[in-house]
Amino acid sequence: SYVLTQPPSVSVAPGQTARITCGGDNIGGYNVHWYQQKPGQAPVLVVYDNSDRPSGIPERFSGSNSGNTATLTISRVEAGDEGDYYCQVWDSRSDPAVFGGGTQLTVL
Amino acid sequence: EVQLVESGGGLVQPGGSLRLSCAASGFSFSDKWMSWVRQAPGKGLEWVANIKPDGSERYYVDSVKGRFTISRDNAKNSLHLQMNSLRAEDTAIYYCAKDLGSSRYDHWGQGTLVTVSS
Repeated sequence: SYVLTQPPSVSVAPGQTARITCGGDNIGGYNVHWYQQKPGQAPVLVVYDNSDRPSGIPERFSGSNSGNTATLTISRVEAGDEGDYYCQVWDSRSDPAVFGGGTQLTVL
Repeated sequence: EVQLVESGGGLVQPGGSLRLSCAASGFSFSDKWMSWVRQAPGKGLEWVANIKPDGSERYYVDSVKGRFTISRDNAKNSLHLQMNSLRAEDTAIYYCAKDLGSSRYDHWGQGTLVTVSS
């Protein structure tokens, strides 16, 4: 089955830019979605189809996808952005939804 | 406003059964694929099963095939997950999720905890 690889953790100072990567074999050929999950809460979709944002998600959240790496970029990071972030794709050849292992974002 | 409210979780012994439910409102339930996604304690997200709007197609992760059954009642805007032969490794929070299309989950319930332990 398709495997998505994320770094376990990323740390960033407030006001700086956080970049969370998601690696996969030719992931650039997939549509990648990103979810934010705060402690004790359900996941929230923050980016879908590589770079689109659902309504209500700040423009500070953006995404890109090329080659073997997709990236979620959070600009002007705030304390409230802390949490776990998961990438996800739809792989028609295996499970309908494949998730990465998740990245814990810490705001220093 | 879209709402998804899960129920039915609890403590069950290995080999036992549970039936989870998800009450949906605020959108046209009968038009949407729906999924169950779980999260073991301290672990990541794992897709479990999904079902087509009319219920004619259902898919499962390999680890639950033959043990879990996903179903829906479009007249009652409800989604269900019948879980049989439960194992310790099925212990998790189970979320119901609305599919925006092509497995993009734009709304999630608050989750219901299933604990399999003797």
